[in-house]
Amino acid sequence: DTGVSQDPRHKITKRGQNVTFRCDPISEHNRLYWYRQTLGQGPEFLTYFQNEAQLEKSRLLSDRFSAERPKGSFSTLEIQRTEQGDSAMYLCASTANPGQAYNEQFFGPGTRLTVL
Amino acid sequence: KNQVEQSPQSLIILEGKNCTLQCNYTVSPFSNLRWYKQDTGRGPVSLTIMTFSENTKSNGRYTATLDADTKQSSLHITASQLSDSASYICVVSASNDYKLSFGAGTTVTVRA
Repeated sequence: DTGVSQDPRHKITKRGQNVTFRCDPISEHNRLYWYRQTLGQGPEFLTYFQNEAQLEKSRLLSDRFSAERPKGSFSTLEIQRTEQGDSAMYLCASTANPGQAYNEQFFGPGTRLTVL
Repeated sequence: KNQVEQSPQSLIILEGKNCTLQCNYTVSPFSNLRWYKQDTGRGPVSLTIMTFSENTKSNGRYTATLDADTKQSSLHITASQLSDSASYICVVSASNDYKLSFGAGTTVTVRA
């Protein structure tokens, strides 16, 4: 499968615990995005990387959230001291040619986080 | 502020029937509009992408239209199947911004 993959698919944790999610983009895609999606809503932008550089972070990304893409390939999203409000689907997407008109983002299956 | 509004929020149709979903946007300057299908618990999958110069595009039983003047788009599903049950999200891209503007989605339920 050469699509975007995410791990784990589901995570249940207790409030206050730290969690880390991984995203593997499509090979050679240089731009990677993280989104958060709650029930009945569209995805909300969190942050994006151009290769290994994190170029923008949304206001939604509090101090408890950190994302990395150390070698410009896979990325990790860590949430520290989780809160119940962090429960959501975390989606990763990648794109190859951001300058073109058909700048399609390919989404992964998502990681469903439940904070008890 | 760039916004995307979708209607209806949800709809139920009988297998074999047609339906049309609506999307209105205020994104400017406009670059392209996509419709994504998102199955429950899965990531969105692209159905169609249209730029300013395209006013209709089909993908099997899915046909999207775009009126860039009125900033409206529709997604028509023909001869619905049970597997069409999903959320359909309208996504608009501005030409001066890498970020996408997402609608909240329309949840379609197809019943036998």
